Amino acid sequence: DAGVTQSPTHLIKTRGQQVTLRCSPKSGHDTVSWYQQALGQGPQFIFQYYEEEERQRGNFPDRFSGHQFPNYSSELNVNALLLGDSALYLCASSPAPGQGPYEQYFGPGTRLTVT
Amino acid sequence: AQSVAQPEDQVNVAEGNPLTVKCTYSVSGNPYLFWYVQYPNRGLQFLLKYITGDNLVKGSYGFEAEFNKSQTSFHLKKPSALVSDSALYFCAVRFPSGFQKLVFGTGTRLLVSP
Repeated sequence: DAGVTQSPTHLIKTRGQQVTLRCSPKSGHDTVSWYQQALGQGPQFIFQYYEEEERQRGNFPDRFSGHQFPNYSSELNVNALLLGDSALYLCASSPAPGQGPYEQYFGPGTRLTVT
Repeated sequence: AQSVAQPEDQVNVAEGNPLTVKCTYSVSGNPYLFWYVQYPNRGLQFLLKYITGDNLVKGSYGFEAEFNKSQTSFHLKKPSALVSDSALYFCAVRFPSGFQKLVFGTGTRLLVSP
């Protein structure tokens, strides 16, 4: 049973560029959440997708956007990259809301470096 | 607003000794509480959760956590530490209803010496 997978593992971008990160949820999960973990910090919630719609959003600017596909996989897009966007981006999956107090399963993350 | 505090940046313990990693939270109502562990260059691995019921929750790798509602705490414990337990530990909280945003603490680095 494959867990949560993310691609790419590492990414180096230049300030002002755009980036797309990808995530495939654990088998049987249909809810995907994205988190940003800056160096030395705890993960910060970006947004959550369920049934191809953004259901909840954290305190992140509109430069951060996402998408969920019919197969439940998801993308995180960041436009106009800033140096401060350098972080580990974590994807987490879980069963649908209302199905119980399930924990979220995290992928290995994508390390984004903005130069 | 929901918040989670992990008052210790680092905890040092000798192998074989008991360990405690502290967590307090500030959330109204009855939140769900979680502990995750992160090894270098890895994502987060789920250790255990408290939903309701018995205040002592047992999880993976011999870890357990004690929920204390009056002190709004959820401390992680292990009776006998292993060198391989050395990692970064995160406490997290979420509301029981609606969607599943997790609010994390800043993390505590656990160093277990041989």
